[in-house]
Amino acid sequence: DVKVTQSSRYLVKRTGEKVFLECVQDMDHENMFWYRQDPGLGLRLIYFSYDVKMKEKGDIPEGYSVSREKKERFSLILESASTNQTSMYLCASSFFAGARMSTDTQYFGPGTRLTVL
Amino acid sequence: AQKVTQAQTEISVVEKEDVTLDCVYETRDTTYYLFWYKQPPSGELVFLIRRNSFDEQNEISGRYSWNFQKSTSSFNFTITASQVVDSAVYFCALSDNTNAGKSTFGDGTTLTVKP
Repeated sequence: DVKVTQSSRYLVKRTGEKVFLECVQDMDHENMFWYRQDPGLGLRLIYFSYDVKMKEKGDIPEGYSVSREKKERFSLILESASTNQTSMYLCASSFFAGARMSTDTQYFGPGTRLTVL
Repeated sequence: AQKVTQAQTEISVVEKEDVTLDCVYETRDTTYYLFWYKQPPSGELVFLIRRNSFDEQNEISGRYSWNFQKSTSSFNFTITASQVVDSAVYFCALSDNTNAGKSTFGDGTTLTVKP
């Protein structure tokens, strides 16, 4: 079974703190994603990575950065957390589009519910 | 541009009722994938089904069935004899060559099944 894990289920931080959210997948997937989910807004893509050290902005990258130093790990960084970044953060992974095994199916982690006070 | 519309924000049914969740999509590609994911209260999105654009055959898996119609750009999901455990948020998603690896998600439909 594909397994995507996220470092924390719940996290409480203060405004201005630097926050790291970690995601690890064990399926040797090339693609990894970070989304945030807010009521009434569905899933919004923050950043996307299709290879180690490669990253691409999603729909709402402002206030976030990412790091992909190893294939299995994709980190989301909030440089200076703000209250409007209180949300559920979801990580996902998939095979590289066009690869033999690719189906574009994304596999999700359990999510991190971040509260910024 | 790709777009996925789930017009039903919330649906509430009583156990054993059948329920259909609607999904309408837009894409200019002729090759694309459509997905349904389930997000139970625990939070983790679970993959349910993938359908590619060349396969319009409907699919049934237990109490779940999917109706893909290219003529109306729809990929609807029906739960037969619903159960309380079906209560979740359901997302429809689209992936095409323009997106190349990324998926466009609908806003989700919250299904509540009451005992």
